[in-house]
Amino acid sequence: RKEVEQDPGPFNVPEGATVAFNCTYSNSASQSFFWYRQDCRKEPKLLMSVYSSGNEDGRFTAQLNRASQYISLLIRDSKLSDSATYLCVVKRPGGYNKLIFGAGTRLAVHP
Amino acid sequence: NAGVTQTPKFQVLKTGQSMTLQCAQDMNHNSMYWYRQDPGMGLRLIYYSASEGTTDKGEVPNGYNVSRLNKREFSLRLESAAPSQTSVYFCASSGTGARRNQPQHFGDGTRLSIL
Repeated sequence: RKEVEQDPGPFNVPEGATVAFNCTYSNSASQSFFWYRQDCRKEPKLLMSVYSSGNEDGRFTAQLNRASQYISLLIRDSKLSDSATYLCVVKRPGGYNKLIFGAGTRLAVHP
Repeated sequence: NAGVTQTPKFQVLKTGQSMTLQCAQDMNHNSMYWYRQDPGMGLRLIYYSASEGTTDKGEVPNGYNVSRLNKREFSLRLESAAPSQTSVYFCASSGTGARRNQPQHFGDGTRLSIL
């Protein structure tokens, strides 16, 4: 079983739609959680950190459920520019700043 | 405002050839990383350097070596390239300190093909 699992998609949604991605992680002692965005043939870029209480950044809302070991990302009012692959990222407990990346969920927003 | 710079951006090698991928960051970060990304898989850590003068193996270190030349630079070397090492390679860096969530900042990537 992969340490971080995501639905690969693609999620095809019209502009203006609300879309949600989930991600599960296997190590219950994981400490920090992030969503990264990766455009086609580009480097991953940090979208947002995920906090236990949930957090929002504009149209993006991230939630963490430690009991069920999943993380979610909600995108409201989707824009064409949101089309990308969204990577769920978990920091391993202990040791150093070692991040475990999910394989990503692809989002395609169409007019 | 360069951030993390990787060279080269593309490279084609023959099996058995060697090469070094270069990475430099100008953010005064202590930690640097090398990942590879293959289709359908998440980024996998090859090696990392927590601070200048230290390096440690990640998940998939076999076939690679690294050098943390100074605080800015972290290179990845393939001594004898194999087709299984065809991949996109990303270098990243992060700061350390009191902040619990230290994001990693990535370079543009190196697309490497081994024939």
